[in-house]
Amino acid sequence: AQKVTQAQTEISVVEKEDVTLDCVYETRDTTYYLFWYKQPPSGELVFLIRRNSFDEQNEISGRYSWNFQKSTSSFNFTITASQVVDSAVYFCALSGDNNDMRFGAGTRLTVKP
Amino acid sequence: DGGITQSPKYLFRKEGQNVTLSCEQNLNHDAMYWYRQDPGQGLRLIYYSQIVNDFQKGDIAEGYSVSREKKESFPLTVTSAQKNPTAFYLCATGLAGDYNEQFFGPGTRLTVL
Repeated sequence: AQKVTQAQTEISVVEKEDVTLDCVYETRDTTYYLFWYKQPPSGELVFLIRRNSFDEQNEISGRYSWNFQKSTSSFNFTITASQVVDSAVYFCALSGDNNDMRFGAGTRLTVKP
Repeated sequence: DGGITQSPKYLFRKEGQNVTLSCEQNLNHDAMYWYRQDPGQGLRLIYYSQIVNDFQKGDIAEGYSVSREKKESFPLTVTSAQKNPTAFYLCATGLAGDYNEQFFGPGTRLTVL
């Protein structure tokens, strides 16, 4: 069975701080993809990144970076120099062989000015 | 303007009434999905469809029904058999096949009084 765990329910930081959102997953599939989504207060989920299980290179996109470590089954997301607009709920998700996307419970990030 | 439309944004119904939530897309995506989101929980899959006139149950299909008569549309009916229907409902679309990211609509918040 596939499972995604986001142990941090809520995180609060002050603007310009760096923050890391943790994601740990479980799967028996050899091939799988990991995703991060952002859900701002408006409610619509916004796709941030997709990473396949064979590519462990870290990725950076502006202030966002992702650290995929297969050895620890983790796919952590770091926001550098956080801004108030980063406040949202962030979801990690896993999609395996049966195209069944599993979401974590989400981490609510609050960035205070 | 390409996108996913869910209407209405807020919906109120009396207990015991069936209600249908709309999801329309013009992204030409084959796959469509319905998720339910409850406070503090991740998204749970209700139903999904990879092709017109075909759909499959997700993890929590009981008390819900869907149809997929057109590629653009995937309405969800919340029946009176659903014991706790008050929730935020999200429709998503994506390319057919495995591992693809999903794109989400703005959601409908259903409140059953």
